[in-house]
Amino acid sequence: AQRVTQPEKLLSVFKGAPVELKCNYSYSGSPELFWYVQYSRQRLQLLLRHISRESIKGFTADLNKGETSFHLKKPFAQEEDSAMYYCALSVRGGSNYKLTFGKGTLLTVNP
Amino acid sequence: DVKVTQSSRYLVKRTGEKVFLECVQDMDHENMFWYRQDPGLGLRLIYFSYDVKMKEKGDIPEGYSVSREKKERFSLILESASTNQTSMYLCATTGHHSGANVLTFGAGSRLTVL
Repeated sequence: AQRVTQPEKLLSVFKGAPVELKCNYSYSGSPELFWYVQYSRQRLQLLLRHISRESIKGFTADLNKGETSFHLKKPFAQEEDSAMYYCALSVRGGSNYKLTFGKGTLLTVNP
Repeated sequence: DVKVTQSSRYLVKRTGEKVFLECVQDMDHENMFWYRQDPGLGLRLIYFSYDVKMKEKGDIPEGYSVSREKKERFSLILESASTNQTSMYLCATTGHHSGANVLTFGAGSRLTVL
């Protein structure tokens, strides 16, 4: 069965410091991975997906199939990055999909 | 933008009561999902539906049922609420034209069972 592991429940950094939120997955098929973010008092929303290969709000994530990882990185954290971050793995069943989420990492960026 | 509306933001129920959580979307999306969100446990899939009158169990379906009589509406039902069902419930949708895996979430329904 597929699994997503986010080893850090809490991560605290100072403004301007680099930040890396770790995500590892286990899945025997071809994975599609996502990062979702939930800011305080806001809805959960998509941050980025690996197939897009884009940088959103300064964040990037590279799929490493050898290490089965999809870590989220930002070189210079900002206070507004403080939020709950979830890594998610899409699994295909027939013509449909469902997402499995990790347990989340709460990022706090201190001034 | 897709709008996913969950009718109740906060509910307080007693043990044994029947609870209905409603979710309505306005963008003709085929797929709808119910998750519960708990601190330290992340999001766990309860049920999902890929079409009207169709439902599939997710990872934690016990104690829940769902109904999808119309494409735009997906209801989560707790037949007899228990205290361990106190949680934040999130409805989400996806559609082929928005990207099959890109979930759009509702604001959530926070249920407290006393």
